Amino acid sequence: SAVISQKPSRDICQRGTSLTIQCQVDSQVTMMFWYRQQPGQSLTLIATANQGSEATYESGFVIDKFPISRPNLTFSTLTVSNMSPEDSSIYLCSVEDGSRTNAGELFFGEGSRLTVL
Amino acid sequence: QKEVEQNSGPLSVPEGAIASLNCTYSDRGSQSFFWYRQYSGKSPELIMFIYSNGDKEDGRFTAQLNKASQYVSLLIRDSQPSDSATYLCAVPSGGGADGLTFGKGTHLIIQP
Repeated sequence: SAVISQKPSRDICQRGTSLTIQCQVDSQVTMMFWYRQQPGQSLTLIATANQGSEATYESGFVIDKFPISRPNLTFSTLTVSNMSPEDSSIYLCSVEDGSRTNAGELFFGEGSRLTVL
Repeated sequence: QKEVEQNSGPLSVPEGAIASLNCTYSDRGSQSFFWYRQYSGKSPELIMFIYSNGDKEDGRFTAQLNKASQYVSLLIRDSQPSDSATYLCAVPSGGGADGLTFGKGTHLIIQP
């Protein structure tokens, strides 16, 4: 199974600022996924990050608000831009288990808990 | 947009009993189904997946799939207090998108 490290694990941010979350995987993976989990809610996919191409965003999420970088097969960043209190959430990085033949089995990082004041 | 529906609970079950968690999904074309467990303050972890109609057993866990009814369930036998968590049902997002679409999760409480 993949080991995923996220930084920061938590942060308190001021309204209007931006924060970049880093995700490091211990093996090369084709796709990395960024999810958001708002308080008391389930996981919502923000975007899929592929190395060497633009990230694919889900409905309701835009690149200007959540720019993503994917410089290589083991690393990705998600930036939450111009934050507001509504962005207070846990942001999770995940990858598929490349050793499995069946898609959909995701491993998750420990998450980055952001609180926007 | 695929939808996955779960009763948010809380579902309270006495220790040693069978906990039954249910999930319905909107896309009849979904082929695979996943159950994740999420402890409070932790990230989700996969506990079961199922692709074929019928039952799939793994230790105390049994996943049941009925594609005709678009229904998938998770049974936990001999429930333990350590099973207390939120259980998330998920299906592949599909339609050119990757990743999973998750339900809102069912909060399970096992009462000692």
